[in-house]
Amino acid sequence: EAGVTQSPTHLIKTRGQQATLRCSPISGHTSVYWYQQALGLGLQFLLWYDEGEERNRGNFPPRFSGRQFPNYSSELNVNALELEDSALYLCASSLAGSVWYFGPGTRLTVT
Amino acid sequence: GDSVTQMEGPVTLSEEAFLTINCTYTATGYPSLFWYVQYPGEGLQLLLKATKADDKGSNKGFEATYRKETTSFHLEKGSVQVSDSAVYFCALPGSARQLTFGSGTQLTVLP
Repeated sequence: EAGVTQSPTHLIKTRGQQATLRCSPISGHTSVYWYQQALGLGLQFLLWYDEGEERNRGNFPPRFSGRQFPNYSSELNVNALELEDSALYLCASSLAGSVWYFGPGTRLTVT
Repeated sequence: GDSVTQMEGPVTLSEEAFLTINCTYTATGYPSLFWYVQYPGEGLQLLLKATKADDKGSNKGFEATYRKETTSFHLEKGSVQVSDSAVYFCALPGSARQLTFGSGTQLTVLP
């Protein structure tokens, strides 16, 4: 069974641009979670989508947004990129909040 | 709110040494508890979990017991290997079903 997949692996953007990150959950999982792991700052919860709806968001500005598609895959969009947005972005999927499985992450670098 | 306090790192051990990484939690009720591992340059992998008090999770020689009386879930391994070098995260599901993580413990095992 395929695990959680994320694309791209690496993304380099310039300050002020927009970034789009993608995630495909494990087959059958309806929930997708996004986390930011900035260097030295641990794992910060960003967004939770379930059945196509945003269910919860962490303490991040509105320029962090996303959506979940009918096939349960998800996009994370970061607008007006700032240097401090440079981080590893991790996606996880879950079935009814039992166990969370993570993808390999997208490394976003803002220059 | 729910929280996890994890032993500060970094931890450096010689191969075949005994490992303990402390984790204590604050939560309403008795949530499931998890240990995740992050190898260099990778995403998070589920290492083990426990779903109720006195449960022992185990995987790859690692063990952790859910202790309700001490609100702890310490990670142990009897004989570490160089390949165990990684960052270890203790986690529990918060009130809104997103995982709350400890700060992570960097483990380095020397040959």
